[in-house]
Amino acid sequence: GEDVEQSLFLSVREGDSSVINCTYTDSSSTYLYWYKQEPGAGLQLLTYIFSNMDMKQDQRLTVLLNKKDKHLSLRIADTQTGDSAIYFCAESPSYSGYALNFGKGTSLLVTP
Amino acid sequence: DGGITQSPKYLFRKEGQNVTLSCEQNLNHDAMYWYRQDPGQGLRLIYYSQIVNDFQKGDIAEGYSVSREKKESFPLTVTSAQKNPTAFYLCASSQRDRYTDTQYFGPGTRLTVL
Repeated sequence: GEDVEQSLFLSVREGDSSVINCTYTDSSSTYLYWYKQEPGAGLQLLTYIFSNMDMKQDQRLTVLLNKKDKHLSLRIADTQTGDSAIYFCAESPSYSGYALNFGKGTSLLVTP
Repeated sequence: DGGITQSPKYLFRKEGQNVTLSCEQNLNHDAMYWYRQDPGQGLRLIYYSQIVNDFQKGDIAEGYSVSREKKESFPLTVTSAQKNPTAFYLCASSQRDRYTDTQYFGPGTRLTVL
């Protein structure tokens, strides 16, 4: 399939907000996901958004969806050093049997 | 505890050998998936199975084989035909319902070919 695009690196200071952006490809995706991966580990589901929503907030996480531009973003408020990880956005296109199509991941580095 | 287990965590293989990676889930999910992750890359789909005794090729199925004889198990065999098998392998499962089809991942197996 086509590529889901993410910026590769982001560095922020502890306590600041982080915004990770993603451009997806398939407008038929019913759900869009954000996963977190720490070194040597599997993927942990952070949050997801239904395609008919514009925004979803879950504690420190805010997801914004712009369907017209196929743009998804994840905002982490009050970023902590424990948030340092790789963040993947993923779409669920109907052509792949609902297997996920992932971006290459954004490495977030939080400095004290 | 409900979840997905993968074993072993680390696996070493000599060139020319087949090797099988285990994936077990006790979430009662119908669908299971295998992904491959290379450094600096996203996850690429190898195989997926929506139901027992049925599976489909993903984007990079060449050199791999799977079986789905039981709902809770989806083993992946990396054959000698796979040209570059050294990678991190992730298994996932999901249960599609009215509200979501969220995939949950196991901890992964790192395969190194010597």
